[in-house]
Amino acid sequence: EAEVAQSPRYKITEKSQAVAFWCDPISGHATLYWYRQILGQGPELLVQFQDESVVDDSQLPKDRFSAERLKGVDSTLKIQPAELGDSAMYLCASSLPIQGTGANVLTFGAGSRLTVL
Amino acid sequence: GENVEQHPSTLSVQEGDSAVIKCTYSDSASNYFPWYKQELGKRPQLIIDIRSNVGEKKDQRIAVTLNKTAKHFSLHITETQPEDSAVYFCAVPDGGYQKVTFGIGTKLQVIP
Repeated sequence: EAEVAQSPRYKITEKSQAVAFWCDPISGHATLYWYRQILGQGPELLVQFQDESVVDDSQLPKDRFSAERLKGVDSTLKIQPAELGDSAMYLCASSLPIQGTGANVLTFGAGSRLTVL
Repeated sequence: GENVEQHPSTLSVQEGDSAVIKCTYSDSASNYFPWYKQELGKRPQLIIDIRSNVGEKKDQRIAVTLNKTAKHFSLHITETQPEDSAVYFCAVPDGGYQKVTFGIGTKLQVIP
């Protein structure tokens, strides 16, 4: 079964340092999402790509977060500088559209758990 | 954007009993309603979904019902088992480009 690959699984860093997360979606999935999930809460969308283009980054803290998907395949999410409040699980998902609905079925990666000290 | 509310936030049931989780949404144009299950330390996974042209869908012990008029849909788990213990999230399409908004989650505990 095809999976969404993410790395690293765990990252511990000190505040003010830079961190980067990588995601490789399922082959052929044009839509890629980065979600942040704080413990005990639902996933919150940070950025959504359609191929290589950003289609929604309204909740991305752009002063410190950046994301790219240069060739429309894998993607990188960067935080610089990291803050204590950035400690969370960063989930990547990719999707295929469901015919006749305009909606997508999301497949999530295992996530990257970030701890900022 | 879409406003998604999920209730309850926590739910404890005895093994064998039923569990019901409800999700309400605001955008009447939404037409696809999935439920995801997230076990402790694992990724969310789709467990069941429903399209707006049907009112109910079942898959063994789980079912989802949809009331488009009232703009809510519910997850029903019957004959609960300890392995059903997890956090369950509803999700709703939100505007164009297939954006997906999640509910806050319901932590279900099945007591043996």
